[in-house]
Amino acid sequence: KAGVTQTPRYLIKTRGQQVTLSCSPISGHRSVSWYQQTPGQGLQFLFEYFSETQRNKGNFPGRFSGRQFSNSRSEMNVSTLELGDSALYLCASSDQTVLNTEAFFGQGTRLTVV
Amino acid sequence: GDSVTQMEGPVTLSEEAFLTINCTYTATGYPSLFWYVQYPGEGLQLLLKATKADDKGSNKGFEATYRKETTSFHLEKGSVQVSDSAVYFCALRQNQGGKLIFGQGTELSVKP
Repeated sequence: KAGVTQTPRYLIKTRGQQVTLSCSPISGHRSVSWYQQTPGQGLQFLFEYFSETQRNKGNFPGRFSGRQFSNSRSEMNVSTLELGDSALYLCASSDQTVLNTEAFFGQGTRLTVV
Repeated sequence: GDSVTQMEGPVTLSEEAFLTINCTYTATGYPSLFWYVQYPGEGLQLLLKATKADDKGSNKGFEATYRKETTSFHLEKGSVQVSDSAVYFCALRQNQGGKLIFGQGTELSVKP
């Protein structure tokens, strides 16, 4: 079974631009969560999608948004980029049909805002 | 709200030394608890988990016991190897949903 795939692996953007990151979950997994990892704030939860619906949301500004498609693939978008948005963005998928399921993480997308 | 606190790193050990990384949590109810490991340039990998009080999770020589009375989930390994050098994250999940709450991470460096 293929793992969680995130694209692209690296991105460099300019302040004020927007960016879209993609996540393909493990086949059969309907839950996809996104996290931001920075040296200062650590790992912070952005949002979770399940069956195309946002089920949970972290404490991030409205510039951060996401969506999930019918095939469970998910995208997150950050508009009006700020220098502080530079981070590793991690996606995780899980099989919500299994009790006490674990989350499987992708390798992440490293976003640098200049 | 819920939170996880880990001992600060970096932790530097010699090969074959005993490892303990402390983790305590604050949460209502009975969350599931996890240890994840992150190698350089990689995402997170699940190391072990425990879903109820007194459960012991174990994997690759690592162990952690869910202690409800002390709200702790300390990670231990009897004999570390150079290949164990990584960042270790303690995390909790409150329900069947996907939201994980992480500690700040502890960097482990094992010297030959």
